[in-house]
Amino acid sequence: SQTIHQWPATLVQPVGSPLSLECTVEGTSNPNLYWYRQAAGRGLQLLFYSVGIGQISSEVPQNLSASRPQDRQFILSSKKLLLSDSGFYLCAWRRVLSEAFFGQGTRLTVV
Amino acid sequence: KNQVEQSPQSLIILEGKNCTLQCNYTVSPFSNLRWYKQDTGRGPVSLTIMTFSENTKSNGRYTATLDADTKQSSLHITASQLSDSASYICVVSEENTDKLIFGTGTRLQVFP
Repeated sequence: SQTIHQWPATLVQPVGSPLSLECTVEGTSNPNLYWYRQAAGRGLQLLFYSVGIGQISSEVPQNLSASRPQDRQFILSSKKLLLSDSGFYLCAWRRVLSEAFFGQGTRLTVV
Repeated sequence: KNQVEQSPQSLIILEGKNCTLQCNYTVSPFSNLRWYKQDTGRGPVSLTIMTFSENTKSNGRYTATLDADTKQSSLHITASQLSDSASYICVVSEENTDKLIFGTGTRLQVFP
């Protein structure tokens, strides 16, 4: 069966520090991978998606970047965090026309 | 613009009672609609999926309905339990792009 791992679960980082959130998928190959951000009282906002190794599409301009160094690994990064980067980040995988499977999320607080 | 709107924004009910959550969408062309349950601080988990030709689908105490003509869906929860306390998110898939459009969710709280 397929599983998705996302870590860390919570993170408190100072403004201006770097960020690296990691997501890995097991039990499937060549998945479509996604990073979402969820703000309180708002729907999930798609940040990045990837259909293959090294292929990254960005949905919104922002302070973050994403990379896919391996087929089942998706990384969300920032060189310098802003206060506005605080939020709940979700990694997900899916296949075309199928449901999305989400990781457990990372609560990021920038202080 | 493709949108998914949910109501109510939040709902409080007593344990054992039934409730219905609403989802209206303007996504076109429409592929399918899913309801997700998201516990606080966790990732969403799929409850049901409905395609254009389906009117109703059940998953235990959860029953989803879909009216593709009026572009409305509802999620009915029967005999609510404390563990039903969560956010329920309606997600519509756009047919051409396979893009997922998320609603803002309904926050349900079940009290004893």
